[in-house]
Amino acid sequence: GQQLNQSPQSMFIQEGEDVSMNCTSSSIFNTWLWYKQDPGEGPVLLIALYKAGELTSNGRLTAQFGITRKDSFLNISASIPSDVGIYFCAGLADGQLTFGSGTQLTVLP
Amino acid sequence: ETGVTQTPRHLVMGMTNKKSLKCEQHLGHNAMYWYKQSAKKPLELMFVYSLEERVENNSVPSRFSPECPNSSHLFLHLHTLQPEDSALYLCASSQGSWSSYNEQFFGPGTRLTVL
Repeated sequence: GQQLNQSPQSMFIQEGEDVSMNCTSSSIFNTWLWYKQDPGEGPVLLIALYKAGELTSNGRLTAQFGITRKDSFLNISASIPSDVGIYFCAGLADGQLTFGSGTQLTVLP
Repeated sequence: ETGVTQTPRHLVMGMTNKKSLKCEQHLGHNAMYWYKQSAKKPLELMFVYSLEERVENNSVPSRFSPECPNSSHLFLHLHTLQPEDSALYLCASSQGSWSSYNEQFFGPGTRLTVL
């Protein structure tokens, strides 16, 4: 089946720093999604990308749909304490949604 | 209540017990999903219901039995589980055809521990 490699698995950063995480695959996807999961909650959709090369922002978050359709990245600028959580990528192809294993983000004061 | 709710939030059960997880969505959606989330692993889709009919079952062991009595409610009946079934079980719902992407809204999950 399709697999997504999400990295890094975890990150510890200082408040105010920028963050970057990415997902790669050997498969092509038609849609890329980025979710955030707060402790004790379910994932919440942050950004959806529908076209190769698309660059989309949501506040301090920016995500891009790779030109090869096999990868995507998420950047968070000027991190704040409430950015703490697990960030998941997900790719959609042939009606199947495949998730990455998540990036655990810790923001240090 | 708004969004997707799940009860109980935490459950501890023995391997011989029978229990049920409940999910309710207040969004007027017509598709509902069960996912299993284990630590540091991708979310695993277990079951999909569209218009109250099961449309996907991803090779889930028969000790997990879903039920969708109406478009707002989804249950997961559990019996004779194994310790490796301990995980966070997430329910989600979406509007529209399940086979093409429509944004899924997740509940907070039930943290299940099997002793």
